[in-house]
Amino acid sequence: DSGVTQTPKHLITATGQRVTLRCSPRSGDLSVYWYQQSLDQGLQFLIQYYNGEERAKGNILERFSAQQFPDLHSELNLSSLELGDSALYFCASSVARSGRGHNEQFFGPGTRLTVL
Amino acid sequence: AQTVTQSQPEMSVQEAETVTLSCTYDTSESDYYLFWYKQPPSRQMILVIRQEAYKQQNATENRFSVNFQKAAKSFSLKISDSQLGDAAMYFCAYRSSNSGYALNFGKGTSLLVTP
Repeated sequence: DSGVTQTPKHLITATGQRVTLRCSPRSGDLSVYWYQQSLDQGLQFLIQYYNGEERAKGNILERFSAQQFPDLHSELNLSSLELGDSALYFCASSVARSGRGHNEQFFGPGTRLTVL
Repeated sequence: AQTVTQSQPEMSVQEAETVTLSCTYDTSESDYYLFWYKQPPSRQMILVIRQEAYKQQNATENRFSVNFQKAAKSFSLKISDSQLGDAAMYFCAYRSSNSGYALNFGKGTSLLVTP
């Protein structure tokens, strides 16, 4: 158990819909990262938040957005869903408050999104 | 952008034997970090080992060790005394020291362990 939690575990929805994925980082971690794992694209970095602010952006579509709240949990919003958005979405966290372990990202169990 | 290449889509090893998974990367940076992650059938991403580019000594974690060749931009993972539980997808990842902390992953190598 990495200490990172993600909900829901599975999500099945239809094209055109909007969903929200939730992530709670490890206790004390300030950074949250979102990754997408699909058969076509492999593991891709989407976006990073640090202590509530956007820190870095990767290959994130305009239909996708994220935020990190004051309690440090993060949400990834996916809208106007397409079949190709079906994937495993991982959240990871790093950067303990003490400053140790900042090089390592610990991954949650992922949310499996299926778009029908 | 840095690219990470894992040229072996699949590898097979017998239990108790040793196997080496290859990874090469392309970067113009001198300071960076490299990682190997394991993804078993449960899909959980598990950190296996990491290497800081400024360290010449190869990292070791129990049965897992790396061969880091900075000039050749090569970062291979050696698994000794392979166990059935080592069967998984293995991903090599690069992290810049300069531009955020995002991980850049290779396509992965599927490792099969046979009894």
